[in-house]
Amino acid sequence: QQQVKQSPQSLIVQKGGISIINCAYENTAFDYFPWYQQFPGKGPALLIAIRPDVSEKKEGRFTISFNKSAKQFSLHIMDSQPGDSATYFCAASLDGQNFVFGPGTRLSVLP
Amino acid sequence: NAGVMQNPRHLVRRRGQEARLRCSPMKGHSHVYWYRQLPEEGLKFMVYLQKENIIDESGMPKERFSAEFPKEGPSILRIQQVVRGDSAAYFCASSPSRNQPQHFGDGTRLSIL
Repeated sequence: QQQVKQSPQSLIVQKGGISIINCAYENTAFDYFPWYQQFPGKGPALLIAIRPDVSEKKEGRFTISFNKSAKQFSLHIMDSQPGDSATYFCAASLDGQNFVFGPGTRLSVLP
Repeated sequence: NAGVMQNPRHLVRRRGQEARLRCSPMKGHSHVYWYRQLPEEGLKFMVYLQKENIIDESGMPKERFSAEFPKEGPSILRIQQVVRGDSAAYFCASSPSRNQPQHFGDGTRLSIL
């Protein structure tokens, strides 16, 4: 009930391509869905987040698509760059508590 | 405006010793969260504290682990009688209130010999 599934585990994309990472959750009470980017040796950094009252949110090259009925949400990185190479985590929380993280996707963007 | 500060960055302990991990939240943040991350895995929630109070400790092991966030000073995650399985990266995050985004520190990497 508290699990967040994430796929793929790893992703290789050519520079300029679109990176897509998918997450699925079980608890329909979750009301906040952030994405974090983590570089080696660093803490996760908040990238973009969405609440279930909207189906899409875009910030620069990053877009979250949210499908409430399917209990799925995804991160799209447009025009992927080598500097985007990092591990990406989706997460879900209820009322600002009980943050549950996905296992992560290691993205490599080839120059 | 300094971010979330964690120290030490690396901590080595022998089995049976105590480990103390410190976290100073961002200025103006009174909510602190601790997470554990094993290699190649996501973050696992451990405990959520607000000044002087533990709000949610559902992710904390029942024994050997404790956390506090005193009125003055940093939040402390304490692990007593450490075992090899405690080796991990421990991250602290803070937020100004419960429903606001969390900002993470760069973690403490704990190694148990």
